[in-house]
Amino acid sequence: GAVVSQHPSWVICKSGTSVKIECRSLDFQATTMFWYRQFPKQSLMLMATSNEGSKATYEQGVEKDKFLINHASLTLSTLTVTSAHPEDSSFYICSAQEGPYTFGSGTRLTVV
Amino acid sequence: GESVGLHLPTLSVQEGDNSIINCAYSNSASDYFIWYKQESGKGPQFIIDIRSNMDKRQGQRVTVLLNKTVKHLSLQIAATQPGDSAVYFCARRAGGYNKLIFGAGTRLAVHP
Repeated sequence: GAVVSQHPSWVICKSGTSVKIECRSLDFQATTMFWYRQFPKQSLMLMATSNEGSKATYEQGVEKDKFLINHASLTLSTLTVTSAHPEDSSFYICSAQEGPYTFGSGTRLTVV
Repeated sequence: GESVGLHLPTLSVQEGDNSIINCAYSNSASDYFIWYKQESGKGPQFIIDIRSNMDKRQGQRVTVLLNKTVKHLSLQIAATQPGDSAVYFCARRAGGYNKLIFGAGTRLAVHP
C-alpha cells in the first residue's frame, strides 16, 4: 500500500531556532499533501494544504510566515517551524490523499 | 460551520464485548467519512470508510453506520480485543482539495 515517510520522528530544539519536517511519498506521486498539528489528548487540527508547484493554503488562524510549507516535487513536502517557541511543541503529522488518505508517522517537536 | 464531533470522550469495555463509538457532524454536504485508529505517538491508521450514498459498510470485525437524517456516524467493533485499545477519530472530507476534518476523538480502553 501507499506509504508516507515522515522525518524526523522526534526533535528537540531551542527557542528561536527553526525546525524542518519532511514528508515523502514513497511509492506514489502526491500532488497535494496536508499538514496537521495535534496537542496532547486533542484531535488533529488541519494547518495547511500543500500543493506541488504552488503556494500552500493555510487554515484560518495559522501563521503562514511561521509555518513555512514547501512542496517542490511530487514526492516531497516540507514544513518548517520558524522561530520556534515552547507553545509550538506538538505532534505534527502529514497526509496525502492516496489509498484513500495515507498518514505519516508523525513528528514530536519539543521546544525548550 | 463545518465540524465533526463525538458524543463520548472515553469508552471502557470488557474484552470480548462489542464497542460502539459515535460521531456527529454538522455539515450536510459531507459526502465521505472515514474512521481512524490512533495509538500513542503514531499517525492515524485507516479503519473503514463510507460514502454518503450508503447507510452501512462492514469490514473485518468493524461496521460503520451512517444516518444522514440526523447527521450521525458510528463505528461498531465486534468482539473487542486488548489490541483495539486506542483513540478513535471520525473524519469528514470537506471543501476544496478534499481536506479531512477530524472529530474530537474517543479513547477506547479494553479491559481483560
